[in-house]
Amino acid sequence: GQQVMQIPQYQHVQEGEDFTTYCNSSTTLSNIQWYKQRPGGHPVFLIQLVKSGEVKKQKRLTFQFGEAKKNSSLHITATQTTDVGTYFCAGMNYGGSQGNLIFGKGTKLSVKP
Amino acid sequence: EPEVTQTPSHQVTQMGQEVILRCVPISNHLYFYWYRQILGQKVEFLVSFYNNEISEKSEIFDDQFSVERPDGSNFTLKIRSTKLEDSAMYFCASIDRQGGTGELFFGEGSRLTVL
Repeated sequence: GQQVMQIPQYQHVQEGEDFTTYCNSSTTLSNIQWYKQRPGGHPVFLIQLVKSGEVKKQKRLTFQFGEAKKNSSLHITATQTTDVGTYFCAGMNYGGSQGNLIFGKGTKLSVKP
Repeated sequence: EPEVTQTPSHQVTQMGQEVILRCVPISNHLYFYWYRQILGQKVEFLVSFYNNEISEKSEIFDDQFSVERPDGSNFTLKIRSTKLEDSAMYFCASIDRQGGTGELFFGEGSRLTVL
């Protein structure tokens, strides 16, 4: 079946360092979403990317969707302790209904003050 | 801010028992979902529900699972005869409509422990 792979599984950074997580799908996606899950919490929507090559920014977060719509990345500049959590990408297939998402395994970010 | 609410927050049950997890989606939302997350693992789609019927379901959502919207506000997930491997966090989620931002609003989750 279709898979969405995400690396790295864990990332430990010093506060102020940058962080990037990468997501790769085995098939072309209709769109990709990113979620953040704090420890013990639930996934919280960050963004949706739809267009090939799309780049979106939210303050220190930059999201990219690859030209082939098979890969995506999330980059955080100058991490803060509030960035701690697990970041999941979630892809949607063409023909799939919105909300039927295939999640990656997530990248767990820890930030040392 | 409107939110998806789930009950119970934690349920412990014996293997073979029936469990019902309850969700109240955001009031003007039309599309409802159940996801599960085994401890420390990824979030997995179970089922989507629209207009009082299942839209899509995954391979995980076998005959032991069912969903229902018994009234205008509740959305339930029933597991008929629980197995040890059903132990997980179950998240309910909703969307107001297809298109738009695509944001899935997740509830806080119901942790199910099967002994």
